[in-house]
Amino acid sequence: DSGVTQTPKHLITATGQRVTLRCSPRSGDLSVYWYQQSLDQGLQFLIQYYNGEERAKGNILERFSAQQFPDLHSELNLSSLELGDSALYFCASSVQGNEQFFGPGTRLTVL
Amino acid sequence: GQNIDQPTEMTATEGAIVQINCTYQTSGFNGLFWYQQHAGEAPTFLSYNVLDGLEEKGRFSSFLSRSKGYSYLLLKELQMKDSASYLCAVRGPAIDAGNMLTFGGGTRLMVKP
Repeated sequence: DSGVTQTPKHLITATGQRVTLRCSPRSGDLSVYWYQQSLDQGLQFLIQYYNGEERAKGNILERFSAQQFPDLHSELNLSSLELGDSALYFCASSVQGNEQFFGPGTRLTVL
Repeated sequence: GQNIDQPTEMTATEGAIVQINCTYQTSGFNGLFWYQQHAGEAPTFLSYNVLDGLEEKGRFSSFLSRSKGYSYLLLKELQMKDSASYLCAVRGPAIDAGNMLTFGGGTRLMVKP
């Protein structure tokens, strides 16, 4: 158990819908990262937040957005969902500059 | 940008030693990480190299050569539970870019009896 929690564990929805994935980092970690892992793309960095502010942005679609709240939990919002958005979404946290610890992931299935 | 290459699959025998290579080309470098990932589970941290040389941690060792853009993960005394994907990831290129990791496609290791 990494200490990072993610909810929900599984999510099944339809194309065009909007979903919110939630992540709580390890106690004391200020940085939160979101990754997408699909079968054909591997693990892709989406976005990083540090103490409430966006710090780095990867290949995140405009339909996706994220935020980190004052209590340091983070949410990833995915809208206008497409079949290709089906993937495992991981959240990770770290003390700034150190190794990242990954949560168990949310498996999103878009039908 | 970052380009990271590692073999797609490897097979080894229980009790043996296996070396998983990773080569990278980056516009900046701020450390290399190895993660283990069992199917459907979260990646778990194995090792971190930022300076050239070998880092040893139990049955696992990782080596880095920054001048060659090369790293390897060495697994000794292989066990069946080592069957997993091994992900090489580079951090960088600069502090301004936060601490984003760019992952290679992963090497799926199958350990056979």
